[in-house]
Amino acid sequence: QSALTQPASVSGSPGQSITISCTGTSSDVGSYNLVSWYQQHPGKAPQLMIYEGSKRPSGVSHRFSGSKSGNTASLTISGLQAEDEADYYCCSYAGSGTVVFGGGTQVTVL
Amino acid sequence: QVQLVQSGAEVKKPGASVKVSCKASGYTFTSYDINWVRQATGQGLEWMGWMNPNSGNTGYAQKFQGRVTMTRNTSISTAYMELSSLRFEDTAVYYCARGLGFSYGHWGQGTLVTVSS
Repeated sequence: QSALTQPASVSGSPGQSITISCTGTSSDVGSYNLVSWYQQHPGKAPQLMIYEGSKRPSGVSHRFSGSKSGNTASLTISGLQAEDEADYYCCSYAGSGTVVFGGGTQVTVL
Repeated sequence: QVQLVQSGAEVKKPGASVKVSCKASGYTFTSYDINWVRQATGQGLEWMGWMNPNSGNTGYAQKFQGRVTMTRNTSISTAYMELSSLRFEDTAVYYCARGLGFSYGHWGQGTLVTVSS
């Protein structure tokens, strides 16, 4: 499987909203509502931020939201804060018990 | 609380094998799949495969078919990932992660595997 496509970097000022896109195909993102998003700070393990496209795990800020349209999923961070500066990865079920990650997006808070 | 504790860093020569362990606590080990994900330095996450600790059933990414084996010992709530025929490009941090559907809410701390001659 090919990796999902994410922008290499996205930036925003504190308080702004940013959106990270994640483009797949009709065999993965487009076929299943099983996209998840992970935040990773340097030297740390990834942390689940969104699952099943738009659901937030307990403890994750309401500033994080997920959506999907066709073969593209999106993660929106509203009210950007300094602590949101990290790498973000999307992930999708790709059928036949397989999973594919995106290449990652570095978020910078200006 | 749910914890996944992985074994320590390894240094291996090309062609050798490495076996990384992932000890689970804080939940019923056989109730959730364990997945393995790796990350080369400065690179993205790469899914390697999954294992059902209850049945022992596994599924591997095509890229690792024939080189990876995922097993478990339910008596000590531990999952294992063995990668054989190591190459320099297998140098990475290897993570175990507890699956819930096809998302991963709990991760191990990571194990650095270095392949060096």
